[in-house]
Parts: sequence; structure tokens; C-alpha cells
Amino acid sequence: NAGVMQNPRHLVRRRGQEARLRCSPMKGHSHVYWYRQLPEEGLKFMVYLQKENIIDESGMPKERFSAEFPKEGPSILRIQQVVRGDSAAYFCASSPLAGGRETQYFGPGTRLLVL
Amino acid sequence: SQELEQSPQSLIVQEGKNLTINCTSSKTLYGLYWYKQKYGEGLIFLMMLQKGGEEKSHEKITAKLDEKKQQSSLHITASQPSHAGIYLCGADITNSGNTPLVFGKGTRLSVIA
Repeated sequence: NAGVMQNPRHLVRRRGQEARLRCSPMKGHSHVYWYRQLPEEGLKFMVYLQKENIIDESGMPKERFSAEFPKEGPSILRIQQVVRGDSAAYFCASSPLAGGRETQYFGPGTRLLVL
Repeated sequence: SQELEQSPQSLIVQEGKNLTINCTSSKTLYGLYWYKQKYGEGLIFLMMLQKGGEEKSHEKITAKLDEKKQQSSLHITASQPSHAGIYLCGADITNSGNTPLVFGKGTRLSVIA
């Protein structure tokens, strides 16, 4: 059973470009979480999605950031018009269908560098 | 303010020594998770604690959650170089089941031969 997959692992963008980060959850997992890790700041929650629904986006900036988890295919975190402050490691985690407290399993992350 | 405080921020121990990392909150920790992160990589799940007073062990790592469910400790016995990395505690502080986690800033562990 493959773990959570993220691609690309590294992404370099110039200011003003768009960044698309992909996350394929573990097989059988229908919950996806995106977190951002800034240097010296630890992991911060961004958005929580289930298939075709955004459940909680309270941690995601209102502008330039969007996320989706379509019926088919991976979850996508999209950052438009990137700025240097967007440089960070972005992690995706997945967990099974809600039925109690389930462990979140993390992917290897996408390291975004904005030049 | 940080909802989860980890201490120490960094730790250097000699191989074979024991060590303890702490994770403290002013809020109730309904689910407490310990992860390990190698530099430049993702988070590896170690253990999850839910009940006050609960203790779990895996190989040489033991995690405990206090009775009040506001503090957890991670203890490593006879440390080895393979234990080096960043240890993160994450918690559900809302008691809502599948919810986003809040994380501490991590403890960076180095093990020297």
C-alpha cells in the first residue's frame, strides 16, 4: 500500500508565476489536509478537504491560494502570483473515512522556492 | 502564542544515553500525535495517545500522556544515531475527531558517537 504521494518534490517559481502542488492520498483515505512549514515556525494547518468538498479552509490565505480535491485524481493546492514569502515546504496528509480519531499520514512534501 | 510548546528546542546527546522531549499545552489534548521528521523529508508517524495516563512503546521509544491530558513526553532509551531528526508533537485540541492538528515547533535531536 503506497503512502501519501506528493509531486513535485521541489518546485522553483519566479515571482508572479503560478504554483500547483499535487497530493495523492493513501488508498482508501478520503480526507486530505494541507499544511505549510516555514523555517523556524513549525507546521501550520491550511485547508482540510474531503472528496469534492472543502471542510475547513480557515488556515489558508484568502487571496491567491485555492485547493480542491476532485472526485477523480489528486488534491491540488494552487498558489497564484507567488511571492517570496510563499517559499516553504508544503505537506499533505491523509486519513481514512471519519469514524473516530484517525491518524494523519504525511507525504514527503513539496519544497517551493520563489525567486 | 504557540498552542503547543515543545522543549527542549534542540538536544545533543551521546550515543547510548537516554533522553526526554516534552510537549505541553494549556488546552486539553484530545488526541496527541508524535511524528519524526528527517531533514528535508516528510513526517513519519510514531505514536498516538488519547486517554489520560496512557503510555505506548515501540522499540526504544516510549510516549506518555499525563492524566490531565495537557502534557506528553517522548522518552528514548539508549539513543542511537538512527534516532536523530526533528520530533514533532501534533494535537487535536477540539475533540472533533478528524480535524486539523496543531503542532509544536519541534525538537531537533542530534546523537553523537
